[in-house]
Amino acid sequence: GDSVTQMEGPVTLSEEAFLTINCTYTATGYPSLFWYVQYPGEGLQLLLKATKADDKGSNKGFEATYRKETTSFHLEKGSVQVSDSAVYFCALGSDSNYQLIWGAGTKLIIKP
Amino acid sequence: NAGVTQTPKFRVLKTGQSMTLLCAQDMNHEYMYWYRQDPGMGLRLIHYSVGEGTTAKGEVPDGYNVSRLKKQNFLLGLESAAPSQTSVYFCASSNYRAEQYFGPGTRLTVT
Repeated sequence: GDSVTQMEGPVTLSEEAFLTINCTYTATGYPSLFWYVQYPGEGLQLLLKATKADDKGSNKGFEATYRKETTSFHLEKGSVQVSDSAVYFCALGSDSNYQLIWGAGTKLIIKP
Repeated sequence: NAGVTQTPKFRVLKTGQSMTLLCAQDMNHEYMYWYRQDPGMGLRLIHYSVGEGTTAKGEVPDGYNVSRLKKQNFLLGLESAAPSQTSVYFCASSNYRAEQYFGPGTRLTVT
């Protein structure tokens, strides 16, 4: 069945460092891919998405490219801020599921 | 647009009590979902609905019931609460293969 694998956290970085959070997937067909962010004490918010191969989603300085050849959707940001500290979830939506398939989440801690 | 709203925001129950959590969305979405999130954990799907009058079981349905009598509302019921049901409950809605929009969550403690 469909699945999503994220890198384990926590990931701890200094402010202004480069961020990569890895996400790989297994799916039949052509899934849509999403990154969500959850700030402490809040619900999940859509950060960015991509619906077909080679699409790049971007928002708030974050980017992720849908790579079908490597079945990946890694999240990147060039210079992180303390306010980026949160939990990040990768998710997949496919024709075979009414649901989104979720990764386990990666906690990001940014130190000043 | 309010998006997805959840009531109540907080609740404390004693073991064996019952309660209903209400989720409402104003985006005319077909699909609605109930998740639970335990501390330091990811999301686990409890039940979901693909349209008015339909419901289906998710990953962790035991101890919960749901109803979707109106397209915009999705109710989650706990008939006899247990301490293991202490969690944060999130509702979400979406259309087919599209992103899900989440409510702010309900923090439930069962003592």
